[in-house]
Amino acid sequence: DQQVKQNSPSLSVQEGRISILNCDYTNSMFDYFLWYKKYPAEGPTFLISISSIKDKNEDGRFTVFLNKSAKHLSLHIVPSQPGDSAVYFCAASGGGATNKLIFGTGTLLAVQP
Amino acid sequence: GAVVSQHPSRVICKSGTSVKIECRSLDFQATTMFWYRQFPKKSLMLMATSNEGSKATYEQGVEKDKFLINHASLTLSTLTVTSAHPEDSSFYICSARDPRVAKNIQYFGAGTRLSVL
Repeated sequence: DQQVKQNSPSLSVQEGRISILNCDYTNSMFDYFLWYKKYPAEGPTFLISISSIKDKNEDGRFTVFLNKSAKHLSLHIVPSQPGDSAVYFCAASGGGATNKLIFGTGTLLAVQP
Repeated sequence: GAVVSQHPSRVICKSGTSVKIECRSLDFQATTMFWYRQFPKKSLMLMATSNEGSKATYEQGVEKDKFLINHASLTLSTLTVTSAHPEDSSFYICSARDPRVAKNIQYFGAGTRLSVL
């Protein structure tokens, strides 16, 4: 049962344009969401997060939007740069003592020069 | 962000041997660390939660006798793959939550590529 889904395995964007990565979840108990960036043979790097009490969080070129009613979040990168090319994972947490993160399957972003 | 170091980055071993992977939090004390496994082109699957000074909590389907976890100090957790077999070949990644940060953010090590011949 995949509680966090990223339905687009890959995305190609021109440099300077906006990249939009999408993520859907099924568990309404999730209250914290994160985006990670991962290069091959490396561990994920934390990018940005959002609490369920908010619907938007912005950090530089990265903005995360949360639509709780649709159980959907998205990561916007603008302007996209070739160095942004990587696999992006969304993750969700349901709070509680365990602090476990449930990861999506990832989206490979390729930013073309 | 907080720094997590994982060692070794790559290991090749013969079938039947045991392999130990270390995960260290370099600039903070981590009471909780996590061990994940990633198959090619797949998501990160949580294997277990490592708790300092107590037994690890394993996810359903993960053999605790196969994947031994020790969290003997606030900065070090180890994962030992016992009697490794080719099907254990995978990318193993650890993470730790920085207790100084209120948010539930995990910081990851660089991962270990295990190849069992």
